[in-house]
Amino acid sequence: QVQLQQWGAGLLKPSETLSLTCAVYGGSFSGYYWSWIRQSPGKGLEWIGEINHSGGTNYNPSLKSRVTISLVTPKNRFSLELSSVTAADTAIYYCARAHVTAYDYWGQGTLVTVSS
Amino acid sequence: QSVLTQPPSVSGAPGQTVTISCSGSRSNIGTGYEVHWYQQLPGTVPKLLIYDNTNRPSGVPDRFSGSKSGSSASLAITGLRAEDEADYYCQSYDSSLSVYVFGTGTKVTVL
Repeated sequence: QVQLQQWGAGLLKPSETLSLTCAVYGGSFSGYYWSWIRQSPGKGLEWIGEINHSGGTNYNPSLKSRVTISLVTPKNRFSLELSSVTAADTAIYYCARAHVTAYDYWGQGTLVTVSS
Repeated sequence: QSVLTQPPSVSGAPGQTVTISCSGSRSNIGTGYEVHWYQQLPGTVPKLLIYDNTNRPSGVPDRFSGSKSGSSASLAITGLRAEDEADYYCQSYDSSLSVYVFGTGTKVTVL
């Protein structure tokens, strides 16, 4: 049974950097893309980017200048950094596994609030 | 703003059938990219309901079915039940934006 467990700071000030980590338990880490997706009331579900087991990444062009997705030691973990956050980045952030192009396993979600 | 458009809400009585549309364009669904559907119960994480247009993951009841035609896709729920009250989202890939895109979401209400 695949499980994704995520954690990170939930309250940030404008201009700070959002940092989240997702650990994958069960199943194989290789052979999939591991993604970050966010959900806000105003913009719905938004794909942020993804990484594979070799470190290859793809990012949403609208966020690319501020996003870094990386593999984390110990293995089977990956992270999200989003720099220079504003109130518009307030959302629930999810990590998820991409089975080809469908997201079949999701983390529990982390509410990130950006407020001064 | 999403490139996949869904009706904000649909409703039906228990036992009835409801259909949710997902309207795209030639740069996403119309190109042939697969469409997936997710169910999000109140306060929970999205759950994969249909993948690759028509396929159900293990454990998803056959009351849920997906279809695709041209630049649009649809999700049908037959034999509507109270526990089907949730938000439903379609998802695909858009080649002009180079992003995976989600629909605007549809709230299903069981009357």
